[in-house]
Amino acid sequence: SAVISQKPSRDICQRGTSLTIQCQVDSQVTMMFWYRQQPGQSLTLIATANQGSEATYESGFVIDKFPISRPNLTFSTLTVSNMSPEDSSIYLCSHRTGRTGELFFGEGSRLTVL
Amino acid sequence: QKEVEQNSGPLSVPEGAIASLNCTYSDRVSQSFFWYRQYSGKSPELIMSIYSNGDKEDGRFTAQLNKASQYVSLLIRDSQPSDSATYLCAPQRVDSSYKLIFGSGTRLLVRP
Repeated sequence: SAVISQKPSRDICQRGTSLTIQCQVDSQVTMMFWYRQQPGQSLTLIATANQGSEATYESGFVIDKFPISRPNLTFSTLTVSNMSPEDSSIYLCSHRTGRTGELFFGEGSRLTVL
Repeated sequence: QKEVEQNSGPLSVPEGAIASLNCTYSDRVSQSFFWYRQYSGKSPELIMSIYSNGDKEDGRFTAQLNKASQYVSLLIRDSQPSDSATYLCAPQRVDSSYKLIFGSGTRLLVRP
């Protein structure tokens, strides 16, 4: 599978600020996704990052709060906007080489909002 | 009813024993199933995928699928302390989204 690099790996943020997480894949991939894992919880899909067009958001997630970019087939960003302590989570970038099939994750970005 | 149900555990087994992790799902159209292992503080790592009814073996791991019963399991033979982690079951929808729906995970503890 392609190797996924995420940064930052962790950060401590102040309430009301925004943070952009970067995800770089070492080869072109068809599908990229962003997940959130809140403390003690399982993974929740935030959105599918579509290359060259607007992301497709899951129920409960909106573009104003989680703007996503995907300018090419190897790179995507997720911004967590106007953060509150409830946004303290691990944010995970993932990819799948085809429309179906196995999903692979980056190392995650652990955000703590004070 | 949740789409994917797993016993949260912890499931505690002695070293060398067989660990049996179970998962039931509600979506009858799921065709592909994945097991992920997640160590504390780390991201999920894919360990097994299964697409057809029956058993699939890979080293010490065996995945079992019964679509009629909407049940998938993971067996870990000769459990090692390094297997101690949370195991996530993830069926994949076959609607246009092809999303993976993750269970809440079962925490496995292998006692030395």
